[in-house]
Amino acid sequence: AQSVTQPDIHITVSEGASLELRCNYSYGATPYLFWYVQSPGQGLQLLLKYFSGDTLVQGIKGFEAEFKRSQSSFNLRKPSVHWSDAAEYFCAVAPSGGYQKVTFGTGTKLQVIP
Amino acid sequence: GAGVSQTPSNKVTEKGKYVELRCDPISGHTALYWYRQSLGQGPEFLIYFQGTGAADDSGLPNDRFFAVRPEGSVSTLKIQRTERGDSAVYLCASTRGSGELFFGEGSRLTVL
Repeated sequence: AQSVTQPDIHITVSEGASLELRCNYSYGATPYLFWYVQSPGQGLQLLLKYFSGDTLVQGIKGFEAEFKRSQSSFNLRKPSVHWSDAAEYFCAVAPSGGYQKVTFGTGTKLQVIP
Repeated sequence: GAGVSQTPSNKVTEKGKYVELRCDPISGHTALYWYRQSLGQGPEFLIYFQGTGAADDSGLPNDRFFAVRPEGSVSTLKIQRTERGDSAVYLCASTRGSGELFFGEGSRLTVL
């Protein structure tokens, strides 16, 4: 069965600093991978997705993520964090191809300090 | 509609009561998902529909929970004999495919 691990429950960064959120997945083949963001009082929004091809994917709001098959990882990065990035971030995995069950990690809560 | 709509946004009920939560997906999205999110946790998969049929209901915790989507659009999640442990935010999402889910804002269920 597929699973996702986000080892960091809570991360604090200074505004303007770089950010990396970790995600490791377990799945027998190459999966589809996603990062979602949940801001307070708002629904989950897709930041970016990886299906195949280039292992470095760009998303909205200046985020990017890199798929590393050898490490079963899909870490999220941003070069310079803004105060508005404070939110909870969820990594998710699904089997490749069409409509499938999507499994989420437990999330990383990001705090941004001035 | 423009987005996924979930009603009610908040529901407070007493232990043992029956509850229905409704989800209206984005028009044209053939797949619909239900998740449950407890405080401090990620979304926990419950069930997803492809059209009118449940393609995977492996996440439903027990037989008190069931969901329907009779016409392939609106879905209702039904919880019988609610328990305090059922308190959570119930999220609905729809998709055109490939796992890119569009979420509603959720229905917060509180069981007293």
